[in-house]
Amino acid sequence: GAVVSQHPSWVICKSGTSVKIECRSLDFQATTMFWYRQFPKQSLMLMATSNEGSKATYEQGVEKDKFLINHASLTLSTLTVTSAHPEDSSFYICSATTPFSDSYNEQFFGPGTRLTVL
Amino acid sequence: QKEVEQDPGPLSVPEGAIVSLNCTYSNSAFQYFMWYRQYSRKGPELLMYTYSSGNKEDGRFTAQVDKSSKYISLFIRDSQPSDSATYLCAMRNSGYSTLTFGKGTMLLVSP
Repeated sequence: GAVVSQHPSWVICKSGTSVKIECRSLDFQATTMFWYRQFPKQSLMLMATSNEGSKATYEQGVEKDKFLINHASLTLSTLTVTSAHPEDSSFYICSATTPFSDSYNEQFFGPGTRLTVL
Repeated sequence: QKEVEQDPGPLSVPEGAIVSLNCTYSNSAFQYFMWYRQYSRKGPELLMYTYSSGNKEDGRFTAQVDKSSKYISLFIRDSQPSDSATYLCAMRNSGYSTLTFGKGTMLLVSP
């Protein structure tokens, strides 16, 4: 099956610093990648949709200048949390999809990155 | 009213029990319905998906969709301790990839 990886799996940073999270599709080309945020005991909330080579589309209420998304290639998307604050502490999950998959535009999820901002 | 409602649980059952997990939704445009399993501190993995109304069976898992009632279910037969996880329902419109998730139901299967 399609595999999506994320790096790092866990990061702790000081308030005010920036953190970059990578999402890679390992065995397929992902034309579209999604970034979600999940707080404890809460559902996955879509933050943004990114298509290779174009600007990301952010969901309402998500600050695009704070959560920078770059989808520079068909296998890599990055999420940079700029000037992180403790309220940004969360579980960030990416997913990837391709219109050429056998299924119905299934989203393949990464293992997630736990961000803790001190 | 949220688009997708799901009881967060936890739902505790003994090993071997039949488990029923449910979601209701309000958007009649939803056409694709999925169930994901998420272990603690891991990403979701797809268990089942169904298009429109009907039933689908895969091993110990059965997914049901009743579009007239806007109600979907996941049944797990002969539940195992390894089934202990959070189960998320998700759904989307036809032609779109954006998923709307339920909050997830935590399932605990005791040996």
